[in-house]
Amino acid sequence: KAGVTQTPRYLIKTRGQQVTLSCSPISGHRSVSWYQQTPGQGLQFLFEYFSETQRNKGNFPGRFSGRQFSNSRSEMNVSTLELGDSALYLCASSYSGTGGWNYGYTFGSGTRLTVV
Amino acid sequence: QKEVEQNSGPLSVPEGAIASLNCTYSDRGSQSFFWYRQYSGKSPELIMFIYSNGDKEDGRFTAQLNKASQYVSLLIRDSQPSDSATYLCAAILTGGGNKLTFGTGTQLKVEL
Repeated sequence: KAGVTQTPRYLIKTRGQQVTLSCSPISGHRSVSWYQQTPGQGLQFLFEYFSETQRNKGNFPGRFSGRQFSNSRSEMNVSTLELGDSALYLCASSYSGTGGWNYGYTFGSGTRLTVV
Repeated sequence: QKEVEQNSGPLSVPEGAIASLNCTYSDRGSQSFFWYRQYSGKSPELIMFIYSNGDKEDGRFTAQLNKASQYVSLLIRDSQPSDSATYLCAAILTGGGNKLTFGTGTQLKVEL
């Protein structure tokens, strides 16, 4: 069974640019979440999507956005990049229904974004 | 007060010993708790989840949940050098949907 696939693995962007990261969840997983990980802040929740709808959103500025497609694949976009956006961006998928238990998220390998 | 708190460590234990990792949470209504292991440069890997008070065992790992005291712990028996990693505690807080709130992690070092 294929795991969570994130592309690209590494990215270098310039301040002010925008970036789109992609995530393909485990087959059958409909919940996809995105996290930002930095040495100083740890793992910070960005947003969660389920059946193409955003169910939860973290405390990040509007420059951070995402979406989910009908096949559960998800993308996140960061516009007007700032130096502080340099981080590891992790996507995680879960088998979770609308009211059922969450048996834990499986993380992808992440996208390492460097903003220069 | 942080929602999920862990001692950052490092916690050093000799090979073969029991490593005890602790986590406290502030939301008394939290129902679901998870332990992840993260090796340097890698993404977090789910070790265990626990929902009910008491112990849950899986191989060398035992998760313990005490909702009255609002703490979760992870015991690693017969610790091996390969267990050296950062261990992240996470919880789904009340009203959080499926959002996982993570602690900052405890670094474990298993010494030969």
